[in-house]
Amino acid sequence: AQKVTQAQTEISVVEKEDVTLDCVYETRDTTYYLFWYKQPPSGELVFLIRRNSFDEQNEISGRYSWNFQKSTSSFNFTITASQVVDSAVYFCALHSSNTGKLIFGQGTTLQVKP
Amino acid sequence: DAGVIQSPRHEVTEMGQEVTLRCKPISGHDYLFWYRQTMMRGLELLIYFNNNVPIDDSGMPEDRFSAKMPNASFSTLKIQPSEPRDSAVYFCASSFGTGGLNTEAFFGQGTRLTVV
Repeated sequence: AQKVTQAQTEISVVEKEDVTLDCVYETRDTTYYLFWYKQPPSGELVFLIRRNSFDEQNEISGRYSWNFQKSTSSFNFTITASQVVDSAVYFCALHSSNTGKLIFGQGTTLQVKP
Repeated sequence: DAGVIQSPRHEVTEMGQEVTLRCKPISGHDYLFWYRQTMMRGLELLIYFNNNVPIDDSGMPEDRFSAKMPNASFSTLKIQPSEPRDSAVYFCASSFGTGGLNTEAFFGQGTRLTVV
């Protein structure tokens, strides 16, 4: 069975603080993909990053960074020097290469205050 | 490509009426997903298709819900009869997944359904 858990329902920070969004997943597949999506107040779902199960390299893109650890089944997302525009709901997702099923965590609402 | 296109963007209907949501996936994508988003349940996977064939509909809440994909460029999600608890935002997404090379899913703008 597949499952994605985002234990943090809501996080509130002040601008310029660093913030980490947690994601823990469960799967029996050996090949799978992990994703992060952003849903701003306008409602659309925006793809941020994809990671496959064989690539544990961390990735940095500007103020965003991702830490994938297979040993703990976690794929955490850090925003450095947060900005008000980062306020959104962030979703972690798991895609099975065996079945093609794509499921999402419950999402974490991030509020960045000026 | 214009992306995943959903229609209508907003739908208000009376309880008991039939509702049909439509989706046009990105050309060439072989996976299509239907999700429902509510405050209580988050983003739930309802059903997904691979090459127009339904693969898993275990997320469809009741027999009132049905989905079809008659061809590679069109899918519908139907609710008959609709109930107030069906009020939610319904998203359609598509991705390319042939040969295990899964790509990210691209989402439509969603349909906000209100059943009164």
